[in-house]
Amino acid sequence: EAQVTQNPRYLITVTGKKLTVTCSQNMNHEYMSWYRQDPGLGLRQIYYSMNVEATDKGDVPEGYKVSRKEKRNFPLILESPSPNQTSLYFCASSPQGAKTEAFFGQGTRLTVV
Amino acid sequence: AQSVSQHNHHVILSEAASLELGCNYSYGGTVNLFWYVQYPGQHLQLLLKYFSGDPLVKGIKGFEAEFIKSKFSFNLRKPSVQWSDTAEYFCAVNPYNFNKFYFGSGTKLNVKP
Repeated sequence: EAQVTQNPRYLITVTGKKLTVTCSQNMNHEYMSWYRQDPGLGLRQIYYSMNVEATDKGDVPEGYKVSRKEKRNFPLILESPSPNQTSLYFCASSPQGAKTEAFFGQGTRLTVV
Repeated sequence: AQSVSQHNHHVILSEAASLELGCNYSYGGTVNLFWYVQYPGQHLQLLLKYFSGDPLVKGIKGFEAEFIKSKFSFNLRKPSVQWSDTAEYFCAVNPYNFNKFYFGSGTKLNVKP
């Protein structure tokens, strides 16, 4: 089954404790991206990747890192989480960049206390 | 900066009522346009998309949208809503030579049975 898989689905952590949210897709898509969803703000793009070893900032990259060492995986790293990063995070992939439909993961609800 | 506006933040309808959700964007060039739906507790799923051609596009579950270039709009419509349409709806824009999606802030639709 074609899908985008995120882990974990729920995470509660403390300020400053590094964490990684994993994202994997099995559709051989070139484009992958991370979004955060906050009430009243919709989805805002954090980082995106056009292909392996090609990543770029989205609209809200501060406090986040990503890597793309393999085509299927695109982890989101929070080196020192803060409470304002409490949010719902979605990973997505697309076959041909941002010009085509995005397939979304199930989301990761992160709470930073 | 690009922006996508969804003016209706919360819409409440009775079953069988007609629906129209507004979406306006600020980019002046060629765009790819999308509507996504997010059912409670789930990830975003594509409803419909417009790349080129007929400005009236039909999507899944009886939804359609009309692209009006002169108004920078891509409004979503459904002639008769059902209780199962209760969800949050997001408009998204991809400016043609950009590698980013821009999402609106979303419209929560509540359909009363």
